[in-house]
Amino acid sequence: DARVTQTPRHKVTEMGQEVTMRCQPILGHNTVFWYRQTMMQGLELLAYFRNRAPLDDSGMPKDRFSAEMPDATLATLKIQPSEPRDSAVYFCASGLGRNQPQHFGDGTRLSIL
Amino acid sequence: ILNVEQSPQSLHVQEGDSTNFTCSFPSSNFYALHWYRWETAKSPEALFVMTLNGDEKKKGRISATLNTKEGYSYLYIKGSQPEDSATYLCAFTPGTYKYIFGTGTRLKVLA
Repeated sequence: DARVTQTPRHKVTEMGQEVTMRCQPILGHNTVFWYRQTMMQGLELLAYFRNRAPLDDSGMPKDRFSAEMPDATLATLKIQPSEPRDSAVYFCASGLGRNQPQHFGDGTRLSIL
Repeated sequence: ILNVEQSPQSLHVQEGDSTNFTCSFPSSNFYALHWYRWETAKSPEALFVMTLNGDEKKKGRISATLNTKEGYSYLYIKGSQPEDSATYLCAFTPGTYKYIFGTGTRLKVLA
């Protein structure tokens, strides 16, 4: 079965360091989403892309977070500088459109000390 | 602001009981309604996508219905088993490509 691949699975780093999370969407999927798992809101949408173009990144703290799709097989989410409050599980998901299900990666568990 | 609300937030049922929960969404500008199953320490898995008013979908003991005119969907689990314990998320897609998720219903099935 095709899967969304996220790397790394776990990341522990110190406050102030740059963190880069990567996502390989399922081949052929043209929408890619970045979510953060929170206790209160469940899945918090950070940013999403369609055909590699960013459509909405209003959920991201702009001063420290950035999301890009350098090509159709790679999406990245960067945090610079990282802060302890960024500690969470970050999920990437890909899909074929709004009447199709999203397929989620296994997530990156990020801990900022 | 488009909100999706799910109820109850959590519930405990005994093994063998049937149960259901609700997802409420804006009835205007509807495109699709999605249900996901999210087990602890895993990632959400798609259960159903429904697009038409009156849609009913079924997968094993789990089924879902959709009422787009009044803006709600029900998820039913018949004869709950401990392995059904998970958080059940619904998501609404309006005219954009954005999926608006509810906060989920946490189900615990007691053996």
